Amino acid sequence: DSGVTQTPKHLITATGQRVTLRCSPRSGDLSVYWYQQSLDQGLQFLIQYYNGEERAKGNILERFSAQQFPDLHSELNLSSLELGDSALYFCASSPRLAGETQYFGPGTRLLVL
Amino acid sequence: AQSVAQPEDQVNVAEGNPLTVKCTYSVSGNPYLFWYVQYPNRGLQFLLKYITGDNLVKGSYGFEAEFNKSQTSFHLKKPSALVSDSALYFCAVRDLMNTGFQKLVFGTGTRLLVSP
Repeated sequence: DSGVTQTPKHLITATGQRVTLRCSPRSGDLSVYWYQQSLDQGLQFLIQYYNGEERAKGNILERFSAQQFPDLHSELNLSSLELGDSALYFCASSPRLAGETQYFGPGTRLLVL
Repeated sequence: AQSVAQPEDQVNVAEGNPLTVKCTYSVSGNPYLFWYVQYPNRGLQFLLKYITGDNLVKGSYGFEAEFNKSQTSFHLKKPSALVSDSALYFCAVRDLMNTGFQKLVFGTGTRLLVSP
């Protein structure tokens, strides 16, 4: 168990809908990262937050957004969902220092029908 | 841009035999390299990392990795494979962003199948 929790574990929804994925980082970790794992794209970095502020963006679609709250949990919001958004979404956390390890949650498996 | 390559989609090995999962890297500057393992329906679990120091890095579950600067490789190894080692293995490299923070760039993954 990495100490990173993600809810829900599974999510099934329809095209055009909006969903929210939740992540709680390890105790004491200030950085939260979101990654998407899909069959065609592999593991891709989406976005990073540190202590409530967005710090870096990767290959994140404009239909996707995220935030980190004062208690450091983070939410990834996916809207106007398309079939191609079906994927496993991982959250990871780490302390601030460079070179540190990112610890991953169990992921949320999203299926868009 | 930082990148890693995992040249093998799948590695097959018999239980008790040594295993190697290959990874090569392309970076500017000093590489920070990681190995993660993903079991079915599970998240990514950290195995080990190389930042600096000894070229042989020891990690979890008896795994180790050898950093080779001249060959730009970071192969994952285990002296004696277990059936329970069957999983998907990812090599990753740190990409230090202009914000000072890091993201991980992953390889495509190698499926390890250990037969009894």
